Amino acid sequence: EAAVTQSPRNKVAVTGGKVTLSCNQTNNHNNMYWYRQDTGHGLRLIHYSYGAGSTEKGDIPDGYKASRPSQENFSLILELATPSQTSVYFCASGDVLGVNYAEQFFGPGTRLTVL
Amino acid sequence: GDSVTQTEGLVTLTKGLPVMLNCTYQTTYSPFLFWYVQHLNEAPKLLLKSSTDNKRTEHQGFYATLHKSSSSFHLQKSSVQLSDSALYFCALSDRGSSGSWQLIFGSGTQLTVMP
Repeated sequence: EAAVTQSPRNKVAVTGGKVTLSCNQTNNHNNMYWYRQDTGHGLRLIHYSYGAGSTEKGDIPDGYKASRPSQENFSLILELATPSQTSVYFCASGDVLGVNYAEQFFGPGTRLTVL
Repeated sequence: GDSVTQTEGLVTLTKGLPVMLNCTYQTTYSPFLFWYVQHLNEAPKLLLKSSTDNKRTEHQGFYATLHKSSSSFHLQKSSVQLSDSALYFCALSDRGSSGSWQLIFGSGTQLTVMP
C-alpha cells in the first residue's frame, strides 16, 4: 500500500511566525496534495502538484505556499501564521489510474496550533 | 461546478442495526465516486470506489451502488459494529483548472455506533 509520511505530527507556532509542514511519499506518484480539515468543512484542498517543480492553487490557497522540490517531497509553507490556520493538515499522493479518476492515499496528518 | 453533498452530519445507531449514509453529486464528467473512512486521530482511508452504473461494490461489509440516473452513491451496511464508528467522506474525481485530476470531498458524516 501507498506510504505517505508527514512531519512534524504536532506543531505549536506563534502568530506571525513561519511554519513549514513536510510530506514524503515513497510510491512514485506524480500527484501530491495538501488539505486542511476543520469540523463542519470536511477536507479542503489548499495546494497540489502534478510533478516535481510544479505547484497549483487549490480551493483555499490564501496564506499558504507550496514547494515540490522532488517527486517524493511536497511542503506546505505558512510565511506568516495566523490563528485561523489552526487546523489538521493532511498530505496525500496519488495518480490517474484510468480514463477519468485519481485515487489518493493520505498521510497521518499534522495538528497545527497557532497561538 | 462539480460538487458532492452529504446530507447527514451526524448519525447515531445501536450496534446491529442497518445504516445508509447519503451521497449525491454533480459533475460534468463521467463520474467516479469514492467513500473514505477516517477513524479518530487517523488518516482517511479508501473504503470503496466505483464508476460503473448500477453495479454494487463491496468492501469490509460496506456496500454502495452508483446510480447515474439519480446522481447518487449511498453507503450502506446491513449490521453496524462498534468499530464502524468513524467519519465517512464521499468523494468525486474531478479535473481541476490545470487539467490535473483531484478529489472533491463532501463535508463528511460522523457515524457513532452505540452498544
